[in-house]
Order: sequence, then structure tokens, then C-alpha cells
Amino acid sequence: DVKVTQSSRYLVKRTGEKVFLECVQDMDHENMFWYRQDPGLGLRLIYFSYDVKMKEKGDIPEGYSVSREKKERFSLILESASTNQTSMYLCASSTADSGYNSPLHFGNGTRLTVT
Amino acid sequence: DAKTTQPTSMDCAEGRAANLPCNHSTISGNEYVYWYRQIHSQGPQYIIHGLKNNETNEMASLIITEDRKSSTLILPHATLRDTAVYYCIVRASYGQNFVFGPGTRLSVLP
Repeated sequence: DVKVTQSSRYLVKRTGEKVFLECVQDMDHENMFWYRQDPGLGLRLIYFSYDVKMKEKGDIPEGYSVSREKKERFSLILESASTNQTSMYLCASSTADSGYNSPLHFGNGTRLTVT
Repeated sequence: DAKTTQPTSMDCAEGRAANLPCNHSTISGNEYVYWYRQIHSQGPQYIIHGLKNNETNEMASLIITEDRKSSTLILPHATLRDTAVYYCIVRASYGQNFVFGPGTRLSVLP
């Protein structure tokens, strides 16, 4: 089974702090994604990566950056956390082997609260 | 991206089949239909996907109409643990983005 592990289930940070959310997958997947999920807004794509050191902006990249130094690890960085970044953050991965016939596999999420 | 329409909520009796419909009338020829579910406080869980033909795995069956404008996810013997929000997604053929709508909240009742 694919395993996508997010380092924290719950996180509380203060406004202005730099926040790192870590995600590791164990299936040698090429593609990795960060989403946030908010009530009434569904899942929204923040950033994704097709390969090591590659990154692409999703629909809502403002206020975030990412890092992919190793294939299995994809980090989401909040440079200066703000209260409107309080949300559930979901990491996902997929293989590139089958092109578009390739499901996303999600971690269990990190619920971040910024006070 | 093709849009999907799902009922907001459905109930199903435990042990009975749960049939969750999805309309995707603007689907393109090479777009796949994916189903996910999300149990409270967990990440979305992949269930099944298909292009044209009906598909079955250990979790569910996916029935896609011949014109591909709609599909049905079938959980053959629903249990209380199947209570979740179910998302039907049509994946854009030109990119990697999955667009999650509001989904159907399925309640399996004892």
C-alpha cells in the first residue's frame, strides 16, 4: 500500500512564524502535491512537483513556498504565517508511470492553527 | 476541467448496496472518472477510477454510461465505516490537478 506520511497531525503557530510542513511518501512516486481544505471551499491546490527540485504553482500559491530536495520528501513552507492560513493541509503523491491514469494518494493531513 | 454534479447527501441501510450517482456531461474523450472518499478528520482515500469500461475492485464498482456523461459508484454491502463524503472527479487531461467539488455525504444507517 502507498503510504504518505505527514509529520504532524496538529500544529499551532503564532502569526509571523515560519512554518514547515513535511510530507514523505514511500512509493518512489515522481509527483507530489500540497492542498489545503477549508469548509465550503473544498480542496485547493497550492503547489505541486513533478520531480526533484521542480515545482509548479497551483491555484493558491500566495503566501507559500515549497521544497523538494529528495524524491520522497515534499515540504510546504509558510514564510510568515497568518491567521487566514489556518486550515487542513493535505499532501498527496502519484506515479508518473501511467500518465493521467494515475490516482493521487493522500496523507492524513495536518490541521494548522495560526493564532 | 469537466465539472461534476453529485447529490448533497444520501442515506443507505447497513448491509445494502449504496449507489452514488455523478453527472459529468461535459467530460472529454480522454478524461478519467475518479472516486475518492473522506472520512472525518482523515485525508481523502482513493477508491476507483475508469475511462469507459465498468471497473471493480475490492472496495467498489464503477459503472460508466455508454455516453460517459454520468457514472455510479456502487458499494455492494455498505457498513457503518463507509459513512463518509464521496467525491466524483473528472481529471483534466492536460494537467495533474484534481478538482474536488463538495461531494456526497453518505450516511450508512444501522
